[in-house]
Order: sequence, then C-alpha cells, then structure tokens
Amino acid sequence: KAGVTQTPRYLIKTRGQQVTLSCSPISGHRSVSWYQQTPGQGLQFLFEYFSETQRNKGNFPGRFSGRQFSNSRSEMNVSTLELGDSALYLCASSLAPGQGGNSGANVLTFGAGSRLTVL
Amino acid sequence: GQNIDQPTEMTATEGAIVQINCTYQTSGFNGLFWYQQHAGEAPTFLSYNVLDGLEEKGRFSSFLSRSKGYSYLLLKELQMKDSASYLCAVVDSNYQLIWGAGTKLIIKP
Repeated sequence: KAGVTQTPRYLIKTRGQQVTLSCSPISGHRSVSWYQQTPGQGLQFLFEYFSETQRNKGNFPGRFSGRQFSNSRSEMNVSTLELGDSALYLCASSLAPGQGGNSGANVLTFGAGSRLTVL
Repeated sequence: GQNIDQPTEMTATEGAIVQINCTYQTSGFNGLFWYQQHAGEAPTFLSYNVLDGLEEKGRFSSFLSRSKGYSYLLLKELQMKDSASYLCAVVDSNYQLIWGAGTKLIIKP
C-alpha cells in the first residue's frame, strides 16, 4: 500500500511569505501528526489531528496552523515566515491517536518530509 | 520539564555490537519507541517497549527499565547500512510523544 505522501518535497520562500504543506496519510489511517525537525533539536511536535479535529498542539506560535479534511488528508500552514522556520517538516500517520499499550495502532509511519528554506 | 537524553553521536565498527542509551524524565510513562532515520529519509519504526525487560527483533534488541527511566537499543553484527540516526521517544501521561534529539551512528569498515 502507498506510504505517507508529503508535498512539496522542497521549497524556498522569503521572510514574510506564507507556505502550505500537504500530507496524505496511509489509506485507513485517521490520525495525522506534524513535526518540525532541525539539526540537533530532534523532532518538535506541532499538532495532531484525528477525525478532522485537532487533538493536541505543541509549543509553536500561532503562525503555525493546520487542518484535516474528511478524507484524513492534512495541511499545515506557516504565515509570516521567519528565517528560523527553515527546517524539515515531517508528517506521520497512524491508525489512531496515541493510546499507549502495545496494540500497534499508535505506531507512526512518517512521510519523507517537506524541506523548507526561508531566505 | 520533560527531557529525553541520548548521546549525540557514536562510532562503531562493521561486525561489532553497539548500545545506544536513552534516559528520560517525563510526566508519566506509557511506552517508549525507537525509530531509525537514514540521512534524508523518513524515520521508520524499530521497536516499542512498555514493560521492563528486553525485546529482541533480529539483530536489534531494545531494553527498558521504568524504575530507572532508562532504555537502550542494542545493534548486533553491525552493517554499513546501519549508519543512521536513532531516535528515542517516550509516550507521556497525556499520550503525547516526547522525542530525544537522536543519536547519529557512524559505522566504519
């Protein structure tokens, strides 16, 4: 089955612009999470969506927003871009939101990411 | 605050064994994941531990001690393709994943 698809893979923007990134989860996966990855910082959690509802949000400013559609596809938007927003943005899908336990339902499958460069 | 500590970088020799440690201080614990990430690629799932002890999966094993807030990933018979970053992540009391910064493993011939 197809994996998690993220578009675009690479993009270059200038400060002050805005950007929209897209994520198509694995078929049947209803939970989508977004992460920002920068060298030495690890994965920083942005938000998690399930059934079109935001379940959790990380400690990012309001310039970062997202949404999920009825087909579980998700988008994230960053407005008024800053140089520090340059990063790899990863989307991950799972069958269900994190529930703990060893059911495997909350194992994340990641997309290849969208690499954003802000000049 | 919540914190996950992993060594930044490790080097090992092809065919050898390496142990990558992860210590955590989190609000609650509902499991620990290890993911592998090759340069320029997506992280992929390696293992999940929620009970104390060792979980073996081929050349890879993962150990957990909840009382010590400690886990390790053991890689045996190292191959060049094992050169990657290894990410430790803990599920906290709110069922959110808290991620370590990752350990970059370099394998030398």
